[in-house]
Amino acid sequence: AQKITQTQPGMFVQEKEAVTLDCTYDTSDPSYGLFWYKQPSSGEMIFLIYQGSYDQQNATEGRYSLNFQKARKSANLVISASQLGDSAMYFCAITAQGAQKLVFGQGTRLTINP
Amino acid sequence: GAGVSQSPRYKVAKRGQDVALRCDPISGHVSLFWYQQALGQGPEFLTYFQNEAQLDKSGLPSDRFFAERPEGSVSTLKIQRTQQEDSAVYLCASSLGGLSPQHFGDGTRLSIL
Repeated sequence: AQKITQTQPGMFVQEKEAVTLDCTYDTSDPSYGLFWYKQPSSGEMIFLIYQGSYDQQNATEGRYSLNFQKARKSANLVISASQLGDSAMYFCAITAQGAQKLVFGQGTRLTINP
Repeated sequence: GAGVSQSPRYKVAKRGQDVALRCDPISGHVSLFWYQQALGQGPEFLTYFQNEAQLDKSGLPSDRFFAERPEGSVSTLKIQRTQQEDSAVYLCASSLGGLSPQHFGDGTRLSIL
């Protein structure tokens, strides 16, 4: 079974600052994928970034990067130069090769202040 | 190039009624998933299809919940004899399979009165 822990219920950051959202995971599967999703107040779940367990380099997508530390079982999301539109719920999720389904954490509500 | 489409966007039903929620996945996506999201929580897995085969239904909370994908494309999640605890947002997602990212629809917000 897989498990995701997000320990920050809420984060408040000034616009243009970088922010790190924490995510730790637990799995016994050797092959797995880690995902971050953004959910604005409108409700849609937006895929941001993916990291495979065998990927040697940390994933990056524009202002998003994933700080993957396999030995620590952590997959923190880093958002650089935050914008007001980044205010949303952020979910970390994991899936294993055989399981297919996503297991989500409880989420972190990020608020960007002007 | 459309994304995952879900309908209706909102559904209000009286306790005891049956409801049907529709999901139209991204064209070419073989994998389709249903999730339930309670207010303030992360989504929780309900069921998974690969093409028309339902390969995992371990997350369905009771036998009142039933899902189908008869032609390997559109899927319907049916809830019979609805109860108040069924009130939630129901999210559908599709993917190319394996560890590829799942892309979500906007969800159906179900309210049981």
